[in-house]
Amino acid sequence: AQSVTQLGSHVSVSEGALVLLRCNYSSSVPPYLFWYVQYPNQGLQLLLKYTTGATLVKGINGFEAEFKKSETSFHLTKPSAHMSDAAEYFCAVSDNNQGGKLIFGQGTELSVKP
Amino acid sequence: NAGVTQTPKFQVLKTGQSMTLQCAQDMNHEYMSWYRQDPGMGLRLIHYSVGAGITDQGEVPNGYNVSRSTTEDFPLRLLSAAPSQTSVYFCASRPPSGYSGNTIYFGEGSWLTVV
Repeated sequence: AQSVTQLGSHVSVSEGALVLLRCNYSSSVPPYLFWYVQYPNQGLQLLLKYTTGATLVKGINGFEAEFKKSETSFHLTKPSAHMSDAAEYFCAVSDNNQGGKLIFGQGTELSVKP
Repeated sequence: NAGVTQTPKFQVLKTGQSMTLQCAQDMNHEYMSWYRQDPGMGLRLIHYSVGAGITDQGEVPNGYNVSRSTTEDFPLRLLSAAPSQTSVYFCASRPPSGYSGNTIYFGEGSWLTVV
């Protein structure tokens, strides 16, 4: 079975500071990994994904994540936070053989202080 | 190209009532699924479908029914609404494996309150 753990339900950073949102996964097969962002009262938007190939994945809005198999991690980073980054972020794992099923982490709410 | 369309966006039900959340996609995706989102629990899979005529249960299927008579539509039925089903519901679809990098597309969500 697959699972995802996001460390920290709330993260607060200052504008311009590094953003680091942690995600660890468990999977018995090579995982597909995703980060989604959700703004208040809106749906989910894909930030980035790892399927195969390069382990450092760049996404939209300046975010990137690195797949580290040895650490079973897929942490999300952004060098400099912007006020517009305040949202909830979800890490998710999928097995390509499971018909598009995603297993989500609990979510991390990011606050950005001016 | 509308993507994944969910209706209604907001709904209030009384305990015991039934209703159907509609989901339609115009991308000819084989895979469709329903999730519910609750605070502190992320999104949990309710039911999913790998093609017309094929459905299966996810993590939290109790109290919900689905059917997939066409590729485009995947309605979610609440048989007898309970307050525990108060949640935000998301429909999602995905192309067959190997297409579009396995990206899953989500609808805008349906906010359901059961009183």
